[in-house]
Amino acid sequence: AQSVTQLDSQVPVFEEAPVELRCNYSSSVSVYLFWYVQYPNQGLQLLLKYLSGSTLVESINGFEAEFNKSQTSFHLRKPSVHISDTAEYFCAVIFTGTASKLTFGTGTRLQVTL
Amino acid sequence: DGGITQSPKYLFRKEGQNVTLSCEQNLNHDAMYWYRQDPGQGLRLIYYSQIVNDFQKGDIAEGYSVSREKKESFPLTVTSAQKNPTAFYLCASSISRNTEAFFGQGTRLTVV
Repeated sequence: AQSVTQLDSQVPVFEEAPVELRCNYSSSVSVYLFWYVQYPNQGLQLLLKYLSGSTLVESINGFEAEFNKSQTSFHLRKPSVHISDTAEYFCAVIFTGTASKLTFGTGTRLQVTL
Repeated sequence: DGGITQSPKYLFRKEGQNVTLSCEQNLNHDAMYWYRQDPGQGLRLIYYSQIVNDFQKGDIAEGYSVSREKKESFPLTVTSAQKNPTAFYLCASSISRNTEAFFGQGTRLTVV
């Protein structure tokens, strides 16, 4: 079965510390991978994506994610977080095929404190 | 500015009433989607449309209906058959299949 798993529902971290938000998927077909961020009572904003090519992708605000096909993972990392990074982060996957559509994980709440 | 507009931002309805949520995009995207968001459950797909006058059920279509008469519009009707309609509803669009989706700001529906 095709699925997306974000095991950590909440991740507390101090400002300027590194963080990793985990995302794993299960699939028998090729995939496209995405990370979205959501601030309270707002829609989702695309943070970064992997469609093909280099397995390491970066966003403009310092986040990066690496596609690991053997481990079926697409973990999100940032070497030093800021208070403003506090938000909900969603991993999403397109399982290619006739009904390609975004499937979301359950989200990880990143809470950055001083 | 190009984007996706959902209206209204907050909506209150009495139980048993149908309600229609608006979603308009000016990005010239072919595909449009409706998701429902509940705390701790992520986003679940209600309906999606990849072309005008055509749409498919998502994972939780029961109690909902949609139409796609124009490329830029994809309204969602929450019917009285939906058992638990109170939720945050998100509309999205994408250029085509297999590409990233762009989201509106959402409509928070409360049924009392």
